[in-house]
Amino acid sequence: DAGVIQSPRHEVTEMGQEVTLRCKPISGHNSLFWYRQTMMRGLELLIYFNNNVPIDDSGMPEDRFSAKMPNASFSTLKIQPSEPRDSAVYFCASSPQGVAGYTFGSGTRLTVV
Amino acid sequence: GENVEQHPSTLSVQEGDSAVIKCTYSDSASNYFPWYKQELGKGPQLIIDIRSNVGEKKDQRIAVTLNKTAKHFSLHITETQPEDSAVYFCAASKGGAGGTSYGKLTFGQGTILTVHP
Repeated sequence: DAGVIQSPRHEVTEMGQEVTLRCKPISGHNSLFWYRQTMMRGLELLIYFNNNVPIDDSGMPEDRFSAKMPNASFSTLKIQPSEPRDSAVYFCASSPQGVAGYTFGSGTRLTVV
Repeated sequence: GENVEQHPSTLSVQEGDSAVIKCTYSDSASNYFPWYKQELGKGPQLIIDIRSNVGEKKDQRIAVTLNKTAKHFSLHITETQPEDSAVYFCAASKGGAGGTSYGKLTFGQGTILTVHP
């Protein structure tokens, strides 16, 4: 299995631009999670899906952030408009339904200048 | 909600020594406690986990202990090697069919472990 696949690995964008991060979970995993990692705040859960349905988006910082999971093999996290404080590493993780152990992707390092 | 505290934030040991990282959690309903290792430029990787019906679990040089009464759990690494150098995260979750928190992990702040040759 190729694991959880995230793209792009690195993204540099200017403030105000739209940013879209992509994730392909492990086949057969029914839960998908988006995390943000910063030095100050550590690993923060932004949103998670179960069977493609958003279950908890209470961690999404503000309306500029949105996430979708149109099917079992693809999810996006969009930031519009982006701000310098959004700079972080964004991780996607998936897990089999009923099991809490996650498999993380390699992350997307986002820099907003 | 759940709060997980992790200590120490940095830990430096000599190769061959043991390393211990400790975490406490606040929600007594939490029942699943994984540990993750994160190497530079990579995502966290699960290295060991324990459920609340077990007090201790061991996998080669790694062991985890759980004290439900005190609400704390610890990671023990014996005979440390330079390749053990990484950031380690503890986490807690209260799983259960139908619960909205099912599968949701709350992470500690991480421990930077450095093993000197």
